[in-house]
Amino acid sequence: NAGVTQTPKFRVLKTGQSMTLLCAQDMNHEYMYWYRQDPGMGLRLIHYSVGEGTTAKGEVPDGYNVSRLKKQNFLLGLESAAPSQTSVYFCASSLGLAGFRSYEQYFGPGTRLTVT
Amino acid sequence: DAKTTQPPSMDCAEGRAANLPCNHSTISGNEYVYWYRQIHSQGPQYIIHGLKNNETNEMASLIITEDRKSSTLILPHATLRDTAVYYCIVRVASGTGTASKLTFGTGTRLQVTL
Repeated sequence: NAGVTQTPKFRVLKTGQSMTLLCAQDMNHEYMYWYRQDPGMGLRLIHYSVGEGTTAKGEVPDGYNVSRLKKQNFLLGLESAAPSQTSVYFCASSLGLAGFRSYEQYFGPGTRLTVT
Repeated sequence: DAKTTQPPSMDCAEGRAANLPCNHSTISGNEYVYWYRQIHSQGPQYIIHGLKNNETNEMASLIITEDRKSSTLILPHATLRDTAVYYCIVRVASGTGTASKLTFGTGTRLQVTL
């Protein structure tokens, strides 16, 4: 049981390049999330998904797209990277039940992205 | 969501109990208390949650006062690997299909020393 895994762990992009971050979970969780964390700041939700085939915007969605074609995978795409997207990106998952269990989130190890 | 207040930092000797306080004086009756931690350069880790009863799991114990205005996370035998930032979060249980966004404040930086 690997929990939540993220690939890649590190990446350096030039402005304007595109890339996709992959998140995978093997806990059969319904909900998945993408957060970003900037130095000295807390987590900010980018996009989330409440089930296979569904996605929704979080608080900072601009510049990102997501897809959830399979229940276990949640992809985050940057179509045209900008220096402001330099950050650590965390994926998380949780049970899809209503109520308190939805805040019991399990996080991946993070992807450190630098855009030059 | 209720605001939480935590001390910015604490020290604890290895092997001793670490008691991390959290004040949430404006908590409402349907809000849960969650604790997470983030070890340097790692993803946040869920620790425990509670509503009004004390809770214990393999990682920690959560003590919530009777008036629910404050709580204490207890690591019974702290080790060097427990050095991390600990976050206390108060949230209403979400409805089906809604985003359960976690918002971390500044937390308490726990330093466990030899």
